[in-house]
Amino acid sequence: AQTVTQSQPEMSVQEAETVTLSCTYDTSENNYYLFWYKQPPSRQMILVIRQEAYKQQNATENRFSVNFQKAAKSFSLKISDSQLGDTAMYFCAFMKSPLIQGGSEKLVFGKGTKLTVNP
Amino acid sequence: GAGVSQSPSNKVTEKGKDVELRCDPISGHTALYWYRQRLGQGLEFLIYFQGNSAPDKSGLPSDRFSAERTGESVSTLTIQRTQQEDSAVYLCASSRGAERGGLGTGELFFGEGSRLTVL
Repeated sequence: AQTVTQSQPEMSVQEAETVTLSCTYDTSENNYYLFWYKQPPSRQMILVIRQEAYKQQNATENRFSVNFQKAAKSFSLKISDSQLGDTAMYFCAFMKSPLIQGGSEKLVFGKGTKLTVNP
Repeated sequence: GAGVSQSPSNKVTEKGKDVELRCDPISGHTALYWYRQRLGQGLEFLIYFQGNSAPDKSGLPSDRFSAERTGESVSTLTIQRTQQEDSAVYLCASSRGAERGGLGTGELFFGEGSRLTVL
């Protein structure tokens, strides 16, 4: 079974600075997806960024980027130029590719990191 | 509607009573998920529906929990004889599904959840 570990329960950063959230995972699969989801106080989960394991290039979405280290099974999220609206719970998630035999679209989530951006 | 809709948004019940939580997914999404989120915790997978395939019920914690889905539309999560440990936010999500692959594979769209409190 796959597991996702987020070792930082809480983090804080000053507005406009950069912060990195850690995530490691354990799997024997070769084809999978990794995700970072954001859950603001409003409770609704929103996809921040997605990485396909077969792609070597790290995914980037505006101020959000990842450092994907497949061999180390590490998938950290970097938030640049932090904004007050980035305050939220951030969840790392794993999904075995649904396009292979035995695959599924079930996401396995880590326990989350609570990020606070201070003015 | 444009997003995933869940009802009720809040439910307070007495121990031993049955509750039903409803999820209306995004139109055209073949995959539907239920997750449970206890206070301060990550998301715990409960059940996953994909089109006409048999649902993946591997996350249901006990036989007091059940879920139904009619075709590719509404889903209902039922908890019988509720216990205090059932208190949590129950999140529903939908996605396009791998069979309609391509863009968005693995991206889940979440509702705002139903907060259940068992007294």
